[in-house]
Amino acid sequence: NAGVTQTPKFQVLKTGQSMTLQCAQDMNHNSMYWYRQDPGMGLRLIYYSASEGTTDKGEVPNGYNVSRLNKREFSLRLESAAPSQTSVYFCASTPPGSTNEKLFFGSGTQLSVL
Amino acid sequence: DQQVKQNSPSLSVQEGRISILNCDYTNSMFDYFLWYKKYPAEGPTFLISISSIKDKNEDGRFTVFLNKSAKHLSLHIVPSQPGDSAVYFCAASESRNQFYFGTGTSLTVIP
Repeated sequence: NAGVTQTPKFQVLKTGQSMTLQCAQDMNHNSMYWYRQDPGMGLRLIYYSASEGTTDKGEVPNGYNVSRLNKREFSLRLESAAPSQTSVYFCASTPPGSTNEKLFFGSGTQLSVL
Repeated sequence: DQQVKQNSPSLSVQEGRISILNCDYTNSMFDYFLWYKKYPAEGPTFLISISSIKDKNEDGRFTVFLNKSAKHLSLHIVPSQPGDSAVYFCAASESRNQFYFGTGTSLTVIP
């Protein structure tokens, strides 16, 4: 049982390049989330998906797009990367019927934008 | 504007003693609170939670206290063990919708 799997683990981009961060969970969870963690800022919610086919903005959605491809997969896309998007990105999910109390996190993607 | 604050970036405690990690919040509508633990190169893992209808919740060595009037919660770890060395995040939500995380406290338990 892999849990929440994120790829890639590390990525270096040049300003203006695009890329997609992949996230998949094998726990039959309904809700999925993308967070970013910056020094001195804690984890901030970028986007979330309460169920397949729905997505909503979080605290810091600007510069990102998301796709809930199916129940298992939730991807985060940077169309034109900026140095301000250098961060560690975490994907998370919560079980069906959950009151959102237990976010299960992936191990993160460390992204550097030069 | 940070709605959840952890004002101590780091804490060192001797093995066997009590670790107390603190968290303050500004939004009086928050009604659910959690603590997460994070090791390097791993994602955060859920530790313990508390609803605003309670002022204390205990799980083994971990106890969370909530003081609603002061908008303050704390995590007590007794006794502290070297394996507890990690970064601890508190988080808060209103109706368990969107969680707001603090900046984290790095705990070092000295053997």
